[in-house]
Amino acid sequence: GNSVTQMEGPVTLSEEAFLTINCTYTATGYPSLFWYVQYPGEGLQLLLKATKADDKGSNKGFEATYRKETTSFHLEKGSVQVSDSAVYFCALSGTGGFKTIFGAGTRLFVKA
Amino acid sequence: NAGVTQTPKFQVLKTGQSMTLQCAQDMNHNSMYWYRQDPGMGLRLIYYSASEGTTDKGEVPNGYNVSRLNKREFSLRLESAAPSQTSVYFCASSELRGSLDEQFFGPGTRLTVL
Repeated sequence: GNSVTQMEGPVTLSEEAFLTINCTYTATGYPSLFWYVQYPGEGLQLLLKATKADDKGSNKGFEATYRKETTSFHLEKGSVQVSDSAVYFCALSGTGGFKTIFGAGTRLFVKA
Repeated sequence: NAGVTQTPKFQVLKTGQSMTLQCAQDMNHNSMYWYRQDPGMGLRLIYYSASEGTTDKGEVPNGYNVSRLNKREFSLRLESAAPSQTSVYFCASSELRGSLDEQFFGPGTRLTVL
């Protein structure tokens, strides 16, 4: 079946460090891929998305490229800030109905 | 513009009690969803409503019922709460039919069943 696998957290970085959170997926067809972010005490909000192979989604300094050949959608940021501390969820949708499939989430801590 | 609102924010129940979680959106979205979030398991879909007047089961529907009251409101009911239903519940909505579209989430309801 369809699934999303994210790297386990927590990930702890110092401010201005480079961030990579790995995400790989298994899906039939051509899903859309998403990264959502959840700040403490809040609901999820969309960070970026990509709808076809080789698309790059970007927002707030974060980027992710839809790689069909490696079935990956890794999240990157060149210089993290304390305010980026949150839980990040990779997700896919569009395969077989109305269901979006979320990864388990990766918690990021950024130290000043 | 409130987006997606949920009530209550916190709730403690005893095993066997019932309750309804309320959700409303003011974005004129067609589709609405209920998820539960458990540590290490991401979000799991309980029920969804693709459009007003329709509801369908998601991944983990047992022990829950839903009502799409109108286009704005989508409630989740626990008829007889169990400790396994201790979780954080999120309501979400999206403009288009189907899950290809961005989903907008409410702030969540933290439920504890003793």
